[in-house]
Amino acid sequence: NAGVMQNPRHLVRRRGQEARLRCSPMKGHSHVYWYRQLPEEGLKFMVYLQKENIIDESGMPKERFSAEFPKEGPSILRIQQVVRGDSAAYFCASSPPAGTYEQYFGPGTRLTVT
Amino acid sequence: GENVEQHPSTLSVQEGDSAVIKCTYSDSASNYFPWYKQELGKRPQLIIDIRSNVGEKKDQRIAVTLNKTAKHFSLHITETQPEDSAVYFCAASQFTSYGKLTFGQGTILTVHP
Repeated sequence: NAGVMQNPRHLVRRRGQEARLRCSPMKGHSHVYWYRQLPEEGLKFMVYLQKENIIDESGMPKERFSAEFPKEGPSILRIQQVVRGDSAAYFCASSPPAGTYEQYFGPGTRLTVT
Repeated sequence: GENVEQHPSTLSVQEGDSAVIKCTYSDSASNYFPWYKQELGKRPQLIIDIRSNVGEKKDQRIAVTLNKTAKHFSLHITETQPEDSAVYFCAASQFTSYGKLTFGQGTILTVHP
């Protein structure tokens, strides 16, 4: 029973490039959350998605960041024109259909912007 | 929005001692309080959680207590072992149909053999 999968695990981008982070939820899970963890800080909520719907994006920066969770395939967090301040660990978490409290985290993608 | 404060930021204990980490939250509507353990470079792992209709929950050496009136909750680890060394995060959410988590800043726990 595979857990939450994320890839790539490590991603290096130069300033101005695009970063695409992928998250495959646990089998049977249809809800995905994205969180960002800056060095030596706690995790900060970014966005919550269900299949084909963005439900809550209150934690997303207004520009350059977008997320999707298509009907088929993984959830994607996209960062355009990356800057050094985007360097962080990005975690996704999945949960079963509505009514379940627990969130299970993936291994994270560590983005480094040079 | 919700704000979660966590203390202490670092905690050092001897093997076999108990460890206590405390968190306070600001939003009285929060109703779900999980604790996560994160080892260096690894994913956060859910170790225990509590809902607002319960005052205490225990799982082997780990327990969590919740005081809704004071808006604080605590993690208790008894008989600590070196493998308990990690960063521990508390979190809070107002779960309705979903529950985005607001995390504390983390506590680095070191258990010395």
